Amino acid sequence: AQSVTQPDIHITVSEGASLELRCNYSYGATPYLFWYVQSPGQGLQLLLKYFSGDTLVQGIKGFEAEFKRSQSSFNLRKPSVHWSDAAEYFCAVAYGSSGGSYIPTFGRGTSLIVHP
Amino acid sequence: NAGVTQTPKFQVLKTGQSMTLQCAQDMNHNSMYWYRQDPGMGLRLIYYSASEGTTDKGEVPNGYNVSRLNKREFSLRLESAAPSQTSVYFCASSGQNNQPQHFGDGTRLSIL
Repeated sequence: AQSVTQPDIHITVSEGASLELRCNYSYGATPYLFWYVQSPGQGLQLLLKYFSGDTLVQGIKGFEAEFKRSQSSFNLRKPSVHWSDAAEYFCAVAYGSSGGSYIPTFGRGTSLIVHP
Repeated sequence: NAGVTQTPKFQVLKTGQSMTLQCAQDMNHNSMYWYRQDPGMGLRLIYYSASEGTTDKGEVPNGYNVSRLNKREFSLRLESAAPSQTSVYFCASSGQNNQPQHFGDGTRLSIL
């Protein structure tokens, strides 16, 4: 069964510092990979996705992520964090099915705290 | 705005009461999903519907039932609510070709 690990429950950074959130997945095939962000009291918003092709993907709000097959990782990065980036971040992995739908599995989330 | 709409946003129930959570999407998506979110647990899939007329169990289906009423609507029913079902419930939808999910804003449900 597919699984997703986000090793860090909480990450604290200073505003303006760089950020990397870790995500590892386990399965044999090449997955579809996603990062979502959740602000307090809100639903999840897609930051970026990887389906195929270039392993470095750009997303919204200045985020990027790199797919590394050899490490089964899809880490999220941002060069300079803003206070408004404080939120919960979820990594998700999915595999295509013959019916065209897919069932993502979500990690447990990483809470980002930004200090002024 | 286009998207996923969940009703109600908040609800308090007593143990043993029943309730239906409503979800509707206006993006013409084929697939719809119900998740629950508990602290430290991420999102866990309750049920999903790959297309109109089909539903399947997810990771945590016990105590829930679903109905895919039409392509737009996917409801979640608690027949006899239990305190362990206190959670935040999210509905999501996705289109074809493994496109990302779009999420509603959630229903915060407390069962006393």
